[in-house]
Amino acid sequence: DAMVIQNPRYQVTQFGKPVTLSCSQTLNHNVMYWYQQKSSQAPKLLFHYYDKDFNNEADTPDNFQSRRPNTSFCFLDIRSPGLGDAAMYLCATSRGLANQPQHFGDGTRLSIL
Amino acid sequence: AQTVTQSQPEMSVQEAETVTLSCTYDTSESDYYLFWYKQPPSRQMILVIRQEAYKQQNATENRFSVNFQKAAKSFSLKISDSQLGDAAMYFCAYRSTNNNNDMRFGAGTRLTVKP
Repeated sequence: DAMVIQNPRYQVTQFGKPVTLSCSQTLNHNVMYWYQQKSSQAPKLLFHYYDKDFNNEADTPDNFQSRRPNTSFCFLDIRSPGLGDAAMYLCATSRGLANQPQHFGDGTRLSIL
Repeated sequence: AQTVTQSQPEMSVQEAETVTLSCTYDTSESDYYLFWYKQPPSRQMILVIRQEAYKQQNATENRFSVNFQKAAKSFSLKISDSQLGDAAMYFCAYRSTNNNNDMRFGAGTRLTVKP
């Protein structure tokens, strides 16, 4: 089935050690999003790609970067994770139209030691 | 900026009964889209229902329906004949037609279904 796949489901890293989360999609959607979701809170948009165009939210820390090498894949890089970065990270995709819903992956739960 | 408010952090309903989850939003735009998403524990977020602001008719998807009051900026979700599988976190979301990335989520309502 067409879907949004996030790997790994659980990621543990050390304080300050760079970590990369991955997302792939078989929906051929042109927009891909990364959200951070902390416990019992709403997902918070970090950034998104509209095709190859990167769009960063104003309050996304510089610590967070993203890459989209092709339509299917998108990566979230956290250069120097702090304890406050422990969260669920959700990847979503959509067609580039406002009335189209976003399709979410299962998420990657990131823990910082 | 648009804001989405879900005033009920938690709700519970008896199996087979009906429950309504509240959502209000603040916007100066006249055209936009509204969504309800469901996030079961440890599972992915999925779309439940969506509403176009220019449509007066309330959206319906099987047991799920909305009460969209544009003037009041209210978008409540009604779940009829509640089932155990409906237990989840429910998020209301607003999406602007002007900015493709502008998807704003409410804080969520945790729904418990009692057998």
